[in-house]
Amino acid sequence: GAGVSQSPSNKVTEKGKDVELRCDPISGHTALYWYRQSLGQGLEFLIYFQGNSAPDKSGLPSDRFSAERTGGSVSTLTIQRTQQEDSAVYLCASSISGTEYTEAFFGQGTRLTVV
Amino acid sequence: QKEVEQNSGPLSVPEGAIASLNCTYSDRGSQSFFWYRQYSGKSPELIMFIYSNGDKEDGRFTAQLNKASQYVSLLIRDSQPSDSATYLCAVTLTNDYKLSFGAGTTVTVRA
Repeated sequence: GAGVSQSPSNKVTEKGKDVELRCDPISGHTALYWYRQSLGQGLEFLIYFQGNSAPDKSGLPSDRFSAERTGGSVSTLTIQRTQQEDSAVYLCASSISGTEYTEAFFGQGTRLTVV
Repeated sequence: QKEVEQNSGPLSVPEGAIASLNCTYSDRGSQSFFWYRQYSGKSPELIMFIYSNGDKEDGRFTAQLNKASQYVSLLIRDSQPSDSATYLCAVTLTNDYKLSFGAGTTVTVRA
């Protein structure tokens, strides 16, 4: 596709359920980021993948959060045993490489609501 | 110290005026700097990038970079109500090239 694609656009889940959020980056982009944005707040970094390097997981808020990237392309962010404070917009971005000159482009986001 | 800092605003300017947004960063070796615009309820959109000291102009937008002072700014000339948004400054860190964002400055252009 032409841009970063995220699915679903909206997700409502019950507290305690697990959810999976998907990100399909721009073709050929080796770097992929996940961010979280709560209402009226800034971007909170979650995790960063660059090529075959070990991901930077330093932003994951708890061990209920995990992410993987298969074949260097599609990424899935999984939240286990969701809590109400997990409600936010989850944004994915990709960039062509992990070099310094790396313009990142965002998907439209997944709005997660935990009820 | 945060890696990227911005004044949160809100910054209110009259239509037709210049809006000036500032950003400082802590990683002295950073080489790449980006400005994103985010409308309410939308995802961030890249509007400018700058890699060299000095000014870079694109339409009504000018990015200014001063690496010695670790400072990058964005000027919006002839501000329009459609420029009302949150502007995010982002910097690529030197250790792993991860993109680090500031908290954003909210701009309101008064008609």
